[in-house]
Amino acid sequence: DTAVSQTPKYLVTQMGNDKSIKCEQNLGHDTMYWYKQDSKKFLKIMFSYNNKELIINETVPNRFSPKSPDKAHLNLHINSLELGDSAVYFCARSHEGRGAGVDTQYFGPGTRLTVL
Amino acid sequence: SQKIEQNSEALNIQEGKTATLTCNYTNYSPAYLQWYRQDPGRGPVFLLLIRENEKEKRKERLKVTFDTTLKQSLFHITASQPADSATYLCALVRGGFKTIFGAGTRLFVKA
Repeated sequence: DTAVSQTPKYLVTQMGNDKSIKCEQNLGHDTMYWYKQDSKKFLKIMFSYNNKELIINETVPNRFSPKSPDKAHLNLHINSLELGDSAVYFCARSHEGRGAGVDTQYFGPGTRLTVL
Repeated sequence: SQKIEQNSEALNIQEGKTATLTCNYTNYSPAYLQWYRQDPGRGPVFLLLIRENEKEKRKERLKVTFDTTLKQSLFHITASQPADSATYLCALVRGGFKTIFGAGTRLFVKA
């Protein structure tokens, strides 16, 4: 039990729509992440939040915006969805603080997004 | 640019044998290296971590080696079982919060 939950598990939508994926962790860990895993199975980091502060923002289209209303939640909003956005999106958490040590990732179950 | 290579071809072995998976990297000096297991339809699960100043780490039937000169890590599963069948991901961390993952190697253990 990784204590990271994501909703929905599956998301099928049309091009151009706006959608959100929710992530919640219940262990009070400091850092949360969003990853994208494409069809070739590469897992690439998109964003990282530490104590509600954005600390990693990879080269991701600005159609993607993370929102952290509190330490336990990091939601992912995607505007104007495109075909290439189809992938599995994973939320993750880690415990160690900034530069303090080992950032072992604990992943949620993933959200499979399909854009038609 | 930083690159992590894992054998993209699946590894098929017989139950009871030792599975050895390889992770090579270039243009990177990780502080430590992690191995994760991913089953179909699920998120990766952390298995083992080895630091740059460690040569070898063991956990039950798992063993990881880390050669910073060769820029390579080997991941061994001894006495493999069909339940070990999964994709195994190598991940590198330098510091801060950015972890770089390889694409993984699929392992099939036949009974």
